[in-house]
Amino acid sequence: EVQLVESGGGPIQPGRSLRLSCAASGFSFGDHAMHWVRQAPGKGLQWVSGLIWNGDDIGYADSVKGRFTISRDNANNSLYLQMNSLRPEDTAVYYCARDSARNFYYYMDVWGKGTTVTVSS
Amino acid sequence: EIVMTQSPATLSVSPGERAILSCRASQSISSNLAWYQQIPGQAPRLLISGAATRATGIPVRFSGSGSGTEFTLTINSLQPEDSAVYYCQQYNDWPPLTFGGGTKVEIK
Repeated sequence: EVQLVESGGGPIQPGRSLRLSCAASGFSFGDHAMHWVRQAPGKGLQWVSGLIWNGDDIGYADSVKGRFTISRDNANNSLYLQMNSLRPEDTAVYYCARDSARNFYYYMDVWGKGTTVTVSS
Repeated sequence: EIVMTQSPATLSVSPGERAILSCRASQSISSNLAWYQQIPGQAPRLLISGAATRATGIPVRFSGSGSGTEFTLTINSLQPEDSAVYYCQQYNDWPPLTFGGGTKVEIK
C-alpha cells in the first residue's frame, strides 16, 4: 500500500524550532519529487516547499523562505521539514505529499494524513 | 506568482443534481491544472490532473474541462459523499505551486 506518514508536530512556542518527518512506503520514493503543504485552521491549502527526486531543485513559499529547510533521505524513504523561528501564523496541519513527477513540480497524487503544528506562547 | 480564484465559495446542490465549480488563473496555465477533493477531517485527494484526466479510482461523474485561464469541475448526479471542499491547483509556473481558495459543496 502506498503510504505517507507524517510525525513531529505538536505545540511549540514562537521563535522555537521543530522538525517534521514523513515516512514513505509502498512506492519507489526516489522516483518522485515531494512537497510539504499546510492548512491553517479553517483555511485553504498552501504549498510550503518542494524538492525534486535528488534534492537539487528546491523551492519555498515566500512566507517560509529563510526559516524552513526541506530535505530528503532516499536511502531511508524519508522527507523532512526543519522549521526555525516559528511564528503563530505557521500554526497549521502540515501534509506531506508525493508529486506525480520526478524532475518537476506537478500535482500531488498521494497525501499523508498530516501532522498538526501549533505555535503559541 | 499565479493567483488561482475559485467560485462560488459555497454551492448548495440537491442529491442527483449537477454541481459546476469554476477556477480562474491570473495568467495562462495551458492545461496544467489539478483538482482535489477534501472531505472534512481528511487529507486532500487528487481528482483530476491535466485539467481533464481523472485520477485512478475517481468516479466518472467527476469531469474537468478548460484550458488557458478558465477551468471547470463538473460533478454529475451529486451523491451525499461528494459533500466536501474542492480545490484547484496550477503547476504551470513554479515555485510556488498555487491553490485556489476552495469551493465548499453542500448537499441540500
